[in-house]
Amino acid sequence: GQQVMQIPQYQHVQEGEDFTTYCNSSTTLSNIQWYKQRPGGHPVFLIQLVKSGEVKKQKRLTFQFGEAKKNSSLHITATQTTDVGTYFCAGPRGSGSRLTFGEGTQLTVNP
Amino acid sequence: DAGITQSPRHKVTETGTPVTLRCHQTENHRYMYWYRQDPGHGLRLIHYSYGVKDTDKGEVSDGYSVSRSKTEDFLLTLESATSSQTSVYFCATKGAGAEEKLFFGSGTQLSVL
Repeated sequence: GQQVMQIPQYQHVQEGEDFTTYCNSSTTLSNIQWYKQRPGGHPVFLIQLVKSGEVKKQKRLTFQFGEAKKNSSLHITATQTTDVGTYFCAGPRGSGSRLTFGEGTQLTVNP
Repeated sequence: DAGITQSPRHKVTETGTPVTLRCHQTENHRYMYWYRQDPGHGLRLIHYSYGVKDTDKGEVSDGYSVSRSKTEDFLLTLESATSSQTSVYFCATKGAGAEEKLFFGSGTQLSVL
């Protein structure tokens, strides 16, 4: 079945350093979504990418969707302590009403 | 955030006992989901619902059943809890619209001893 792989599983950075997490699907995706989960919290939707090669920015966060629509990345420029949490990518499965999540990348930021 | 309430927030139970977790939403969303979250596994779909009395299995449905008798309520039942079902359970909903984003509840921490 469709799998969504995410790397790295953990990332420790110093405040001010950049951070990138990568997401790869075994199949072509109609869209990909990104979520952030703060420690002890619940996942919160960040963004959805739909088009091949799409790039979207939210302040210091840059999201990319690959040309083949099988991979995606989230890049954070100059991390801050408020960026701490686990970042998940997710792709639709089957008819699209279901989402398959990657394993997540847990980001810690040392002040 | 969407109005999604999960109850209970925490529960400790013993192996072999039945457990029911409740998810209540006030957004009139059509789709509702139950996920479990375990270290190293991310979020895995247990069951989902695409309407009242319409449900389907997810990738880790064994040992779980669900019911949806009203749009706003989605129940997850562990008929006979096992220690492997110790986890954090999240309910999520999805409404209509171009952005098919999920809204998550605050989660239920379940410990099966």
